[in-house]
Amino acid sequence: AQSVTQPDIHITVSEGASLELRCNYSYGATPYLFWYVQSPGQGLQLLLKYFSGDTLVQGIKGFEAEFKRSQSSFNLRKPSVHWSDAAEYFCAVGARTGGFKTIFGAGTRLFVKA
Amino acid sequence: DVKVTQSSRYLVKRTGEKVFLECVQDMDHENMFWYRQDPGLGLRLIYFSYDVKMKEKGDIPEGYSVSREKKERFSLILESASTNQTSMYLCATVRGTGNTIYFGEGSWLTVV
Repeated sequence: AQSVTQPDIHITVSEGASLELRCNYSYGATPYLFWYVQSPGQGLQLLLKYFSGDTLVQGIKGFEAEFKRSQSSFNLRKPSVHWSDAAEYFCAVGARTGGFKTIFGAGTRLFVKA
Repeated sequence: DVKVTQSSRYLVKRTGEKVFLECVQDMDHENMFWYRQDPGLGLRLIYFSYDVKMKEKGDIPEGYSVSREKKERFSLILESASTNQTSMYLCATVRGTGNTIYFGEGSWLTVV
């Protein structure tokens, strides 16, 4: 069955520290891969996406993610976290063919401490 | 600037009431979605529509219906609201496979 797992329900990091949010997926073939961010009380906004090519993908707000086919993972990273990064982060996968249904993970809430 | 508008941000309804959640997009996208978001469960797809008057069930359609009479508008209907439908509802649109999904700001529904 297709699924997306974000093992960490919440993570707390200090401002200025590095960040890695984990995402693993189960899918029949290599899907499209996405990370979305949701600020409190808002809808979701796309951070970055992977379609093909370079497995290290750059996104907005200084985020990047690396696709590792052998590990079925697409972890999100940021070298130095800012207080404004506090939000909920969702990993998602989408089919390459035969439809546009996107499956979302349960989300990881990021807390940033001063 | 792209826009997905959910007209009702916060609603409180009584059990058994009929509830309409409206969503309008200005991007001329064919595909529109309704998701439900609950803590620890992420986003779950209720219904989606890939064209006017077309609809398909998502993962949790029970207790919901939808209407798409015009391309830009996609409505979610709770025929008889129940307390377990208290949740955040998100409308979204996408042009096609693999493209960015654009979300509305969400509608917080409380059923008492």
